[in-house]
Amino acid sequence: AQSVTQLGSHVSVSEGALVLLRCNYSSSVPPYLFWYVQYPNQGLQLLLKYTTGATLVKGINGFEAEFKKSETSFHLTKPSAHMSDAAEYFCAVTEGWRDDKIIFGKGTRLHILP
Amino acid sequence: SQTIHQWPATLVQPVGSPLSLECTVEGTSNPNLYWYRQAAGRGLQLLFYSVGIGQISSEVPQNLSASRPQDRQFILSSKKLLLSDSGFYLCAWSVRLKSRMGNQPQHFGDGTRLSIL
Repeated sequence: AQSVTQLGSHVSVSEGALVLLRCNYSSSVPPYLFWYVQYPNQGLQLLLKYTTGATLVKGINGFEAEFKKSETSFHLTKPSAHMSDAAEYFCAVTEGWRDDKIIFGKGTRLHILP
Repeated sequence: SQTIHQWPATLVQPVGSPLSLECTVEGTSNPNLYWYRQAAGRGLQLLFYSVGIGQISSEVPQNLSASRPQDRQFILSSKKLLLSDSGFYLCAWSVRLKSRMGNQPQHFGDGTRLSIL
C-alpha cells in the first residue's frame, strides 16, 4: 500500500534561508507525487506535481522538488524563504496505478523567523 | 477556468442536530469529487469519493453520508451530529479521464469549519 512520511511536523527557518521540507514515500507502482500548501483557514493549493519525465519539478512561488527513486524521496525546497511562505505543507502520492485517490502525509508547518 | 465553491465557511451546530454541507464545481464536466475531514495534527482523512452521479464510495464508516444529485454537486450530510464530527471539512475535485492514469491532482475548496457544541 502507498504511504507518505513527512519528516518534522514543524520546521523553522530564517527569512532568506533555504527551505527544505522532507517527504519519503512508499509505493508499489510508479508513483505520482504532489506537494500542496495550506494557509490558515483555507483549502489546499497545488504547489507542484511529478508524474513522468524530468525529476526536478518547478512549482509556484519559487518552490521546486526533486523525485529520487533510489531514495524514495520527493523533498521540497526553496532557495530563499519569505515571510509569506509560512503555512502548512502536505506531500501526497497517488494511491495506486489508475487510481484517482491520493494519500496525504500529515503535513509540515513551516515557520519563518524574521 | 474551473472553480469550486463550498458553503458555509463556518458552522456551529449542537450535538444531535442534522448537517448539510454543499460543494459545487464550475467549468468542468464529470469530475471526480471528494470529501475530506482535517483534524488538527492529523492530516487529511478521505471520507467519500464519487466518480459520477449517484456513485459514492465511503472510505471510513462513520456518522456521515454523502450524495451527488447532480454532476457537479456534492453534499455531505448527517442526521445527528456527534462531538467527534467537529473539524475542517474540505471538498475537492479532479479531472476524470477515460484512460485513468492516477496522475491528476486534486483541487480544493476553501473548506467549512464545523464546531459541535
